Amino acid sequence: GQNIDQPTEMTATEGAIVQINCTYQTSGFNGLFWYQQHAGEAPTFLSYNVLDGLEEKGRFSSFLSRSKGYSYLLLKELQMKDSASYLCAVRDGDYKLSFGAGTTVTVRA
Amino acid sequence: ETGVTQTPRHLVMGMTNKKSLKCEQHLGHNAMYWYKQSAKKPLELMFVYNFKEQTENNSVPSRFSPECPNSSHLFLHLHTLQPEDSALYLCASSQDYDSTGELFFGEGSRLTVL
Repeated sequence: GQNIDQPTEMTATEGAIVQINCTYQTSGFNGLFWYQQHAGEAPTFLSYNVLDGLEEKGRFSSFLSRSKGYSYLLLKELQMKDSASYLCAVRDGDYKLSFGAGTTVTVRA
Repeated sequence: ETGVTQTPRHLVMGMTNKKSLKCEQHLGHNAMYWYKQSAKKPLELMFVYNFKEQTENNSVPSRFSPECPNSSHLFLHLHTLQPEDSALYLCASSQDYDSTGELFFGEGSRLTVL
């Protein structure tokens, strides 16, 4: 099976920056996804990386290093509405998508 | 609104009951999925359907029985479940199974087995 690790919880202050790390070990690689899930809601797509480097989308950025099996999601200028669970997911060589357990981010005023 | 609708949103059932979860997607996608989400655990892939054909059964007990009558609808039939089956069941769809496109999730059906 696949092995995807991310921290369980993180807390940060409104306006600050938080970096959520994800490490993975998979058989083959066809991309890494980040999803956001608010309590009681559907996970929603945030970003996709398949090549090494940084992808920026507004306040959110995602980085990938395939050789290190490593990604991070960077949340800047944190807002209260960013309090949610962030899921790292990796698509393996057979296109099967496996998820990490999620990182719960709490933004404090 | 993600384009994937699940009903019911909440379900409480006894271990001897038979119930079904329903999922409908309005995105014209060809692949549909059932995932189980338990607290503090990764999403567990249960079943995958691509063009109405089941392409993956991730060692799911037979008390869970999927049905995909067409590319837009997916059901999960439940029978003689156990309390440990209590979880959030998420349906998702994607354009195709063997592609790099993202999954679109429904809001889930929260199942409690008494």
